[in-house]
Amino acid sequence: SYELTQPPSVSVSPGQTAWIPCSGDTLPKQYAYWYQQKPGQAPFLLIYKDTGRPSSVPERFSGSSSGTTVTLTITGVQAEDEAVYYCQSSESSGTYVFGPGTKVTVL
Amino acid sequence: EVQLVQSGAELKKPGESLKISCEAFGYTFTTHWIGWVRQMPGKGLEWIGIIYPPASDIRYNPSFQGQVTISADMSINTAYLQWTRLKASDTATYFCARPQLFCEDTTCDSGGFDYWGQGTLVTVSS
Repeated sequence: SYELTQPPSVSVSPGQTAWIPCSGDTLPKQYAYWYQQKPGQAPFLLIYKDTGRPSSVPERFSGSSSGTTVTLTITGVQAEDEAVYYCQSSESSGTYVFGPGTKVTVL
Repeated sequence: EVQLVQSGAELKKPGESLKISCEAFGYTFTTHWIGWVRQMPGKGLEWIGIIYPPASDIRYNPSFQGQVTISADMSINTAYLQWTRLKASDTATYFCARPQLFCEDTTCDSGGFDYWGQGTLVTVSS
């Protein structure tokens, strides 16, 4: 079955930049989406179609894509950005898959 | 305002059946797919499946096929996730979620999940 891979954790100091990669064989053909999840909360959509950002999402969150890897970038990390971040994509059959999640720790 | 409101927490015994619900508000229920996601304690998100109510088109994650049943009742704008025989390993929080809809001319495609229910905690224990 189709899988997405993410690093388990990323640590970053406040004000610095965090990069969270997500890799998968079908990412060149299928869009990726990114979610933020804080403890006890439902996930929240941060990025859609690789690079789109909903109007409610702060500009410090951005997405990019290159080949089989998509990347979520948090520029100027804030303490409130400490959370788990999941990438998600789909297959041509219309099924969905989530990455395993990356825990971002703000030092 | 779009809202997905899920049924409350459940405590069940192994072997029992269960049906949890997700009621949609604030949009036309028949225009969007609606999906289910599992999150086991301390673990990541797992996509279970998704339903398009008007066509009863249902797609499952192969890992969940045969283990759960997804359905919907368009008359009350509600989607369901059902088990016939629960196992302890079904203990998890279950979220319903609605994907974005991108339409161009007469063609529409689904995107990421932009609206989520609050989650239903299902605990299966003897």
